[in-house]
Amino acid sequence: DTGVSQNPRHKITKRGQNVTFRCDPISEHNRLYWYRQTLGQGPEFLTYFQNEAQLEKSRLLSDRFSAERPKGSFSTLEIQRTEQGDSAMYLCASSRLGDKTYEQYFGPGTRLTVT
Amino acid sequence: KQEVTQIPAALSVPEGENLVLNCSFTDSAIYNLQWFRQDPGKGLTSLLLIQSSQREQTSGRLNASLDKSSGRSTLYIAASQPGDSATYLCAGGGATNKLIFGTGTLLAVQP
Repeated sequence: DTGVSQNPRHKITKRGQNVTFRCDPISEHNRLYWYRQTLGQGPEFLTYFQNEAQLEKSRLLSDRFSAERPKGSFSTLEIQRTEQGDSAMYLCASSRLGDKTYEQYFGPGTRLTVT
Repeated sequence: KQEVTQIPAALSVPEGENLVLNCSFTDSAIYNLQWFRQDPGKGLTSLLLIQSSQREQTSGRLNASLDKSSGRSTLYIAASQPGDSATYLCAGGGATNKLIFGTGTLLAVQP
């Protein structure tokens, strides 16, 4: 198992364009989380899935953001009509339901720059 | 609402020194407390996780403690090395399992 993977690692886009990021969790992990981290800050929770069900969304997740996990495996995060304020590192994490430690394992992140 | 604070925001120490990083949280109803390391421009590497029923965890030169009653956790690093230079983040996990992070402590270990 190679851990949580995210693609792309870097994305530069012009304001107003749509972008989509992908996260592949650790294979037996049925919980998947998205976080956003801006420069000098800690990561902030965006949303989380248990299998294919999206169970919680942060108020940070405006209507321009949508996340899916259609088959309970990989997940995508789409940002429509990007704004400069969307520039950040987008982090994905996964954990295993039934693991009493609730430990989350993070991917390398996707760094988004909106010009 | 859970809030997590880390002190100090930045720390510079000479190689070989022992050091303590502090983390405080407002809601004692946490399920766990995780410490992470983050290198510049990179993702998060989990260092230690303390479950709510535990008091401390150790891994190599690292020791993390948890005091739920006072809302505090500490990360102790023994015999610091230049390779320990990074940002250290603590995060509290609650009933919904989402993590609430502090803003981190930027550590520089001078050779």
